[in-house]
Amino acid sequence: GIQVEQSPPDLILQEGANSTLRCNFSDSVNNLQWFHQNPWGQLINLFYIPSGTKQNGRLSATTVATERYSLLYISSSQTTDSGVYFCGGAGSYQLTFGKGTKLSVIP
Amino acid sequence: DAGITQSPRHKVTETGTPVTLRCHQTENHRYMYWYRQDPGHGLRLIHYSYGVKDTDKGEVSDGYSVSRSKTEDFLLTLESATSSQTSVYFCAISEGWQGATPNYGYTFGSGTRLTVV
Repeated sequence: GIQVEQSPPDLILQEGANSTLRCNFSDSVNNLQWFHQNPWGQLINLFYIPSGTKQNGRLSATTVATERYSLLYISSSQTTDSGVYFCGGAGSYQLTFGKGTKLSVIP
Repeated sequence: DAGITQSPRHKVTETGTPVTLRCHQTENHRYMYWYRQDPGHGLRLIHYSYGVKDTDKGEVSDGYSVSRSKTEDFLLTLESATSSQTSVYFCAISEGWQGATPNYGYTFGSGTRLTVV
């Protein structure tokens, strides 16, 4: 099956800083998604992005399917951005997840 | 809110007992999934369903079974609970197709924290 690797595993930011999270996958995917798990454990879908670029407020994501990676950009980070960010990839519909990037935004 | 609920939210059970977790959706989505989340392992797929009575195994299916007798309910059963099955269990749903456009975006439930003692 598809292997998904995320980097960095941990990230500490000062509030207001920008960051880039990366997701590499071992095989071609037709389904790539980014999620945020908040400190209370809730998993929120940020982007469904099998290819191209999408933006939602301070967050944007880009998937380059031919090169098997996706990037999540967080601009002007806020303390509420803290948590764990997961990407998941699949050839069809059932996602395989990376181990996540733990983001801590400090005031 | 996407209508997906998991029950119970928390459960403590004894080793060797059977346990059933329920995932209920009101979105009429075709696909449903069970994952477990453990420190250091991220989210791992247990079983998934691609329609009523259509299910398949995921990466970590040993010791688990599932059933989907109607679109809205997907049940996960631990046949004889073991301490290694102590975990947080998440259910997710995805639509499949939105008209002529594929839409496999997941919506997760709130999770069930299961402790096997």
